[in-house]
Amino acid sequence: DQQVKQNSPSLSVQEGRISILNCDYTNSMFDYFLWYKKYPAEGPTFLISISSIKDKNEDGRFTVFLNKSAKHLSLHIVPSQPGDSAVYFCAARRGAQKLVFGQGTRLTINP
Amino acid sequence: DTEVTQTPKHLVMGMTNKKSLKCEQHMGHRAMYWYKQKAKKPPELMFVYSYEKLSINESVPSRFSPECPNSSLLNLHLHALQPEDSALYLCASSQVTVAGAFFGPGTRLTVL
Repeated sequence: DQQVKQNSPSLSVQEGRISILNCDYTNSMFDYFLWYKKYPAEGPTFLISISSIKDKNEDGRFTVFLNKSAKHLSLHIVPSQPGDSAVYFCAARRGAQKLVFGQGTRLTINP
Repeated sequence: DTEVTQTPKHLVMGMTNKKSLKCEQHMGHRAMYWYKQKAKKPPELMFVYSYEKLSINESVPSRFSPECPNSSLLNLHLHALQPEDSALYLCASSQVTVAGAFFGPGTRLTVL
């Protein structure tokens, strides 16, 4: 049972435009959501998170939106830069400790 | 110090070998994790240690044996692995009450 889903395996965006990565979840008990970025042969890097009591969190070029009624979250990157090209994982947790990851979306930023 | 370190970076072992993966963090985090990641797949949780005690074992085969000697160190002992165990093994840590986990760079394991 895939509790966290990223339905787009890949996304291509022009440099300078907005990248929007989407994530859906099925477990309404999740109370914290995170986005990680991963380059090949490296561990995931924590990007940004949001608690279920909020609907938006912003950090520089990265903004995460949470729609609890739709069980949907999204990561917006604006403006997109070539260094943003990586695989992005959405993750969710209930209470302490256990993270459930989505399948990942490969983002490619084109010059 | 805001990083998780893992050694070795790469490991090649035979099916009869015994080896260990090591992980270290000095951020004062009291939760530490082992994840396994296969190519083009998300990380899969294997074990969670909380305050140096094993709190979650995700039905991992006994050929993988975790150990948490102290709050900064986490080991994964490997014995009699199978070729299908070849993967990137990731260590992570977090504050127990804060959700964001920091990952190490991983150990790329190849079992021949």
